[in-house]
Amino acid sequence: AQTVTQSQPEMSVQEAETVTLSCTYDTSESDYYLFWYKQPPSRQMILVIRQEAYKQQNATENRFSVNFQKAAKSFSLKISDSQLGDAAMYFCAYRSRTGNQFYFGTGTSLTVIP
Amino acid sequence: NAGVMQNPRHLVRRRGQEARLRCSPMKGHSHVYWYRQLPEEGLKFMVYLQKENIIDESGMPKERFSAEFPKEGPSILRIQQVVRGDSAAYFCASSPGLAKWNEQFFGPGTRLTVL
Repeated sequence: AQTVTQSQPEMSVQEAETVTLSCTYDTSESDYYLFWYKQPPSRQMILVIRQEAYKQQNATENRFSVNFQKAAKSFSLKISDSQLGDAAMYFCAYRSRTGNQFYFGTGTSLTVIP
Repeated sequence: NAGVMQNPRHLVRRRGQEARLRCSPMKGHSHVYWYRQLPEEGLKFMVYLQKENIIDESGMPKERFSAEFPKEGPSILRIQQVVRGDSAAYFCASSPGLAKWNEQFFGPGTRLTVL
């Protein structure tokens, strides 16, 4: 079974600074998707960014970007110019191209310090 | 286009009672997924349904849990004879099923507390 590991239970960043959240995964498949979700205190799961495994280019969405290293099975999230509203739990998730379910990591709690 | 709706948002049950959680997918979505989030953990897949069919229930506990997605109306996750360990947030997600990403859009969740 696929596993997703987030080794940083908690992270903090100064407002306007940059922070990187780590994620590694284990799979024997070659074609899959990777996602980062944000879960604020409201508990709503919000998609932040997504990446196709067969695309070399790292995905970018405004202040959010990823560093996807397929050989290393690593998928980190970089948040630039951090804002107070970025404070939340962040979950890394994996889904195979043909699979039905997402596999989630245990999350990283991000605190933004004013 | 309204998002995925879940109700109730909070549900309190005593041990031994039944819990019914409802999920209305986004308009045009015919695929529904249920996930459970225990405290301090990520979401764990439970079941995947299409209209009137259970496609994958590999994450469902063998007893007391059932799910349905009828032709009309919301998807229902039913937990019989609840125990304290069932206390968790239950999330529903929906997808159109045919899109490239098959991206799942999540509802706000139902927080179940078992006293």
